[in-house]
Amino acid sequence: NAGVTQTPKFQVLKTGQSMTLQCAQDMNHEYMSWYRQDPGMGLRLIHYSVGAGITDQGEVPNGYNVSRSTTEDFPLRLLSAAPSQTSVYFCASSVNHQMGNTEAFFGQGTRLTVV
Amino acid sequence: AQSVTQPDIHITVSEGASLELRCNYSYGATPYLFWYVQSPGQGLQLLLKYFSGDTLVQGIKGFEAEFKRSQSSFNLRKPSVHWSDAAEYFCAVAPGSARQLTFGSGTQLTVLP
Repeated sequence: NAGVTQTPKFQVLKTGQSMTLQCAQDMNHEYMSWYRQDPGMGLRLIHYSVGAGITDQGEVPNGYNVSRSTTEDFPLRLLSAAPSQTSVYFCASSVNHQMGNTEAFFGQGTRLTVV
Repeated sequence: AQSVTQPDIHITVSEGASLELRCNYSYGATPYLFWYVQSPGQGLQLLLKYFSGDTLVQGIKGFEAEFKRSQSSFNLRKPSVHWSDAAEYFCAVAPGSARQLTFGSGTQLTVLP
């Protein structure tokens, strides 16, 4: 049971570099999302997707791009890394039910340092 | 917009003692409520969730939480803490199902032997 898989687990970038954080899920979940976790601030939503081809912004979208070409994958792109983007990034997926019991499943996280 | 407050940044308890972690939310209607636990270097694991019905919810690892509408609270409890419970705990709220979760800032739990 792979669940939600994030790669890489650790990454160091120089300011101005770009990179893509990968996220894949094998549960056929429609809904996927990206969060960043910073000390004392909990997790904040960056972008989310309710299905292939559909994405939307969350609370802190600036500096990040996403796309959803397949149900399984939801990559997060940093266009020009800044030290303020040093954080731990979590990808999550869930069933896109309007009602009923659902829960979000989280990946193990990517720890990103921008120097 | 919804918000979540976890007033205790850090709590220390002795092994075997009881535990209560506080969570207050702000939302116009009854939200979906969650408690997650994060062990060091790990992702988030769902402890329990509340959608409707019985306001006392049982979760994994012996945890329970009680939804109190009048107090806008969803406090997490455990009658006897184990050393393995040391972790960070997050309360979260969502307007529907598990989409667009809003998290509290977390409570770090230390368990003394």
